[in-house]
Amino acid sequence: GDSVTQMEGPVTLSEEAFLTINCTYTATGYPSLFWYVQYPGEGLQLLLKATKADDKGSNKGFEATYRKETTSFHLEKGSVQVSDSAVYFCALSESAGANNLFFGTGTRLTVIP
Amino acid sequence: AAGVIQSPRHLIKEKRETATLKCYPIPRHDTVYWYQQGPGQDPQFLISFYEKMQSDKGSIPDRFSAQQFSDYHSELNMSSLELGDSALYFCASSLGVGQGQPQHFGDGTRLSIL
Repeated sequence: GDSVTQMEGPVTLSEEAFLTINCTYTATGYPSLFWYVQYPGEGLQLLLKATKADDKGSNKGFEATYRKETTSFHLEKGSVQVSDSAVYFCALSESAGANNLFFGTGTRLTVIP
Repeated sequence: AAGVIQSPRHLIKEKRETATLKCYPIPRHDTVYWYQQGPGQDPQFLISFYEKMQSDKGSIPDRFSAQQFSDYHSELNMSSLELGDSALYFCASSLGVGQGQPQHFGDGTRLSIL
């Protein structure tokens, strides 16, 4: 079945450091891929998405590229800020049928000044 | 912009009681999803509705049921509550079920079972 494997956390970085959170997936067909962010006490917010191979999603300085050959969708940001501290979830939805999301286990990021 | 509204935000129940969670999707969104997130865990898909019909079913216990109404809001009914049902319950909505349609999440209902 479909699944997402996400880099385990927690991750602690200093402000302005480079961020990478690894995400790989297993799916039949061609899923759509997403990164969601969850701030403390809040719901999940869509950060970025990619719907086909080689697509790059980007938002708020974050980027992720849909790599079909390595079944990966790693999240990157060149210079993190304290306000980026949150839990990040990689997710996929199947290419056909219902659109429900399969989530990775989440990676907690803490950015210290 | 209007977001997904969930109510209540917090709910405390005792074992064997019932609970009803409500979800109001973003205006014009016709698809609603329910997820359960246990402490420190990733969200698990429960059930979804498209145009008031169930479109997919995940790991929803038989004790739970849900429906989508004519105004597209949805309710998750939970009966014979157990301690293990304590979790954050998210509703999400989207426009259609086409591939890649992003889901927009509410802030969740935190259910605590005593």
